[in-house]
Amino acid sequence: QMTQSPSSLSASVGGRVTITCRASQSVSTYVNWYQQKPGQAPKLLINAASTLQSGVPSRFSGSRSGTDFTLTINSLQPEDCATYYCQQSYSNPYTFGQGTRLE
Amino acid sequence: EVQLVESGGGLVQPGGSLRLSCAASGFSLSSNWMSWVRQAPGKGLESVANIRQDGSEKFYADSVKGRFTISRDNARNSVYLQMNSLRVDDTAIYYCARDRGGSGDFGSDLWGQGTLVTVPS
Repeated sequence: QMTQSPSSLSASVGGRVTITCRASQSVSTYVNWYQQKPGQAPKLLINAASTLQSGVPSRFSGSRSGTDFTLTINSLQPEDCATYYCQQSYSNPYTFGQGTRLE
Repeated sequence: EVQLVESGGGLVQPGGSLRLSCAASGFSLSSNWMSWVRQAPGKGLESVANIRQDGSEKFYADSVKGRFTISRDNARNSVYLQMNSLRVDDTAIYYCARDRGGSGDFGSDLWGQGTLVTVPS
């Protein structure tokens, strides 16, 4: 079970946001973060809690503290408006957080 | 071009069946775990099923266990999802996804465009 918060947030261009997922039990570092824009398939941003995928801007970062995982977006850009999901891939079936809508 | 293309979605009555297909091009999916993920209208993502490279291991969400079956044909570079006893709450866009890592546990790095399954009430 991945509990994601907040469910939505609003921020300004150039600002910084953090999105958190809490796992109900240990998932080691097997947490991934996705970005989904309306009408599009999800896009993998970060895997293994903190590994940025090729081509993803460096303003995105991920971290872990125990069973708490955080996605941070610095220097917000208009194109960052999207819904963000965490996912645990430690045990099957893999599960997603509820999503965070960023405006 | 490296891509996944789903097909087979449509309108089906409750209790009916549907078979989704996912064709890979530009790469061989025989080296990857593959997943089906769905998204109900206006809702979040739900992992439906995934399958090991050789098909020897399969996992399902509790919500579809016993009704859905995932399979693959590496020779055809394709993955399938057989959906039986469909319910209204199975209505969703169904995405096919390629999983990273030898055990498929490093996220899904390639997604199809999705295919819509509608089960009317």
